[in-house]
Amino acid sequence: EVQLVESGGGLVQPGGSLRLSCVGSGFTFGRYGMNWVRQAPGKGLEWVAYIRDSGTTVYYADSVKGRFTISRNNAGNSLDLQMNSLRDEDTGVYYCARDPSGAGPDFDYWGQGTLVNVSS
Amino acid sequence: QSVVSQPPSASGTPGQRVTISCSGTRSNIGNNAVSWYHQVPRAAPKLLMYNDQKRPSGVPERFSASKSGTSASLAISGLQSEDEGDYYCAAWDDSLNGPVFGGGTKLTVL
Repeated sequence: EVQLVESGGGLVQPGGSLRLSCVGSGFTFGRYGMNWVRQAPGKGLEWVAYIRDSGTTVYYADSVKGRFTISRNNAGNSLDLQMNSLRDEDTGVYYCARDPSGAGPDFDYWGQGTLVNVSS
Repeated sequence: QSVVSQPPSASGTPGQRVTISCSGTRSNIGNNAVSWYHQVPRAAPKLLMYNDQKRPSGVPERFSASKSGTSASLAISGLQSEDEGDYYCAAWDDSLNGPVFGGGTKLTVL
């Protein structure tokens, strides 16, 4: 059974940092691109970042470019999101999502999400 | 404000057929495949349709989707109470170099 489990969320002050992790199981992690998608309270979905299966290619939404870094460790079946210079508007639930095609947003498996609360 | 727009709400009665529209531009829907997601409260989104009109295994045949130009639509026939929730369309955007989601449509089964 494919599973994605996020961790690392919590309360952080504006300007602070947080590192999210996502561990995959039940599939060959290193064969899939992975994404982070977030959802602000009561709002819609917003794509945050993508990393290719090999880790050689990454893309970011303009709203997080220069502040967030996506990375992966295929040997450990893990995906990370390092978030720096956090802002109030970064508050929300962060999901990791598997990307089978790498050619479009057909994210077939999602984690349960981890809540990030940026507040003073 | 998303570059892909959806009506904020839709509704129908059990057994009815409802459609949800999704309007984009040439840089997203007009040039790339569309996916649809269903999300119920306090749960992660679930992939409902991909590659414009393909259903992942396990998704009932009463869900269908289509695309024409820069617009796409999701149709649900034989509406059931468990179909309630939020529906999102999504497509890669060539200008933004990343996927974009529609603002979401809240479906209510009356």
